[in-house]
Amino acid sequence: AQSVTQLDSHVSVSEGTPVLLRCNYSSSYSPSLFWYVQHPNKGLQLLLKYTSAATLVKGINGFEAEFKKSETSFHLTKPSAHMSDAAEYFCVVSDSYNQGGKLIFGQGTELSVKP
Amino acid sequence: DAGVIQSPRHEVTEMGQEVTLRCKPISGHNSLFWYRQTMMRGLELLIYFNNNVPIDDSGMPEDRFSAKMPNASFSTLKIQPSEPRDSAVYFCASRLTSGRADEQFFGPGTRLTVL
Repeated sequence: AQSVTQLDSHVSVSEGTPVLLRCNYSSSYSPSLFWYVQHPNKGLQLLLKYTSAATLVKGINGFEAEFKKSETSFHLTKPSAHMSDAAEYFCVVSDSYNQGGKLIFGQGTELSVKP
Repeated sequence: DAGVIQSPRHEVTEMGQEVTLRCKPISGHNSLFWYRQTMMRGLELLIYFNNNVPIDDSGMPEDRFSAKMPNASFSTLKIQPSEPRDSAVYFCASRLTSGRADEQFFGPGTRLTVL
């Protein structure tokens, strides 16, 4: 069975400093991995996805994530936080190839950005 | 494209009443997903359809919940009778299932409050 663990329920950074949101996954197959962002009272928006091509994936708004198979990790980073980055972030693994693509969500990490 | 459309955006009802949530997926997408989000349980997949056929409804909490997809452009999630513990944000998502890493596109959600 596939699962995903977000190691921090809440991360607080100052504006202009780096962001690191940690995610570990468990998968019996070569996984598909995603990061979604949810701003307050909004739906979920895709930040980036890993498609088994390049291990360093670049997304929107300056975010990127690196797939590390040896560490079963898919951490999300951004060099410099902006106030508008304050939101909830979900690490997601897609169910196995032949299972219709169900998404398995982590519990979420709330990112706060201080001025 | 307008994206995934959900209605109503907010619903307040009394316990025992029937509630119907509606979703219009992105045109051309062949998979549709219903999720529920609460503080306690996070994001839960309730049911999903491929080509209008329900594939997995194991997440539907009980018989009070039912979902239909009569055609490729419309789905409903019905709760009858509603209970206060059904209060949550309900998201609909759609995707074009063509490969492994196909992301889901989420609607803005329906915030349901059952008094």
